[in-house]
Amino acid sequence: AQSVTQLGSHVSVSEGALVLLRCNYSSSVPPYLFWYVQYPNQGLQLLLKYTTGATLVKGINGFEAEFKKSETSFHLTKPSAHMSDAAEYFCAVSSYGNKLVFGAGTILRVKS
Amino acid sequence: GAGVSQSPRYKVAKRGQDVALRCDPISGHVSLFWYQQALGQGPEFLTYFQNEAQLDKSGLPSDRFFAERPEGSVSTLKIQRTQQEDSAVYLCASSPRDRVTGYFGPGTRLTVT
Repeated sequence: AQSVTQLGSHVSVSEGALVLLRCNYSSSVPPYLFWYVQYPNQGLQLLLKYTTGATLVKGINGFEAEFKKSETSFHLTKPSAHMSDAAEYFCAVSSYGNKLVFGAGTILRVKS
Repeated sequence: GAGVSQSPRYKVAKRGQDVALRCDPISGHVSLFWYQQALGQGPEFLTYFQNEAQLDKSGLPSDRFFAERPEGSVSTLKIQRTQQEDSAVYLCASSPRDRVTGYFGPGTRLTVT
């Protein structure tokens, strides 16, 4: 069975500071890993995904994530937070690339 | 181009009523997924179609939930005899192949009173 744990249901950073959202997964097979962002009353938008190959994945809006198999982690980072980054972020895992198993989400607050 | 659309965006139903939620995937997308997102939680998988075939319905919480995609395009999620615990946002996603790539619709917020 697959599972995702997102550490910290709420994260607060100052504008311009580093964003780090943590995600650990459990999967019995090589995983596909995803990060999504959700703005209020909107659907999920794909930020980035890891399937195979390079373990450092770059996504939209300056976000990136690194797949670390030894740590079963896929943490999301952005060097400098912007006010528009305030949203809820979901990490998800998929085996064989079909249905997604999501974490509980992390709400990112950006302080001016 | 047009993304995944869902209708209605909001639905209020009295307990015991039947509801039907519609998903229009991106044109030509083979795969279609339904997820349920309860308040304050991450989405949970309900069911998966590849064209008109429902290949996985393991996430449907009860036999009151039924999904169809008869022509391999538009899909309908039907909930019979709605209960309060069915209150959630129902998300639809489509993919051009048999691999999820993450094109989600805006969701339908269902409130059962």
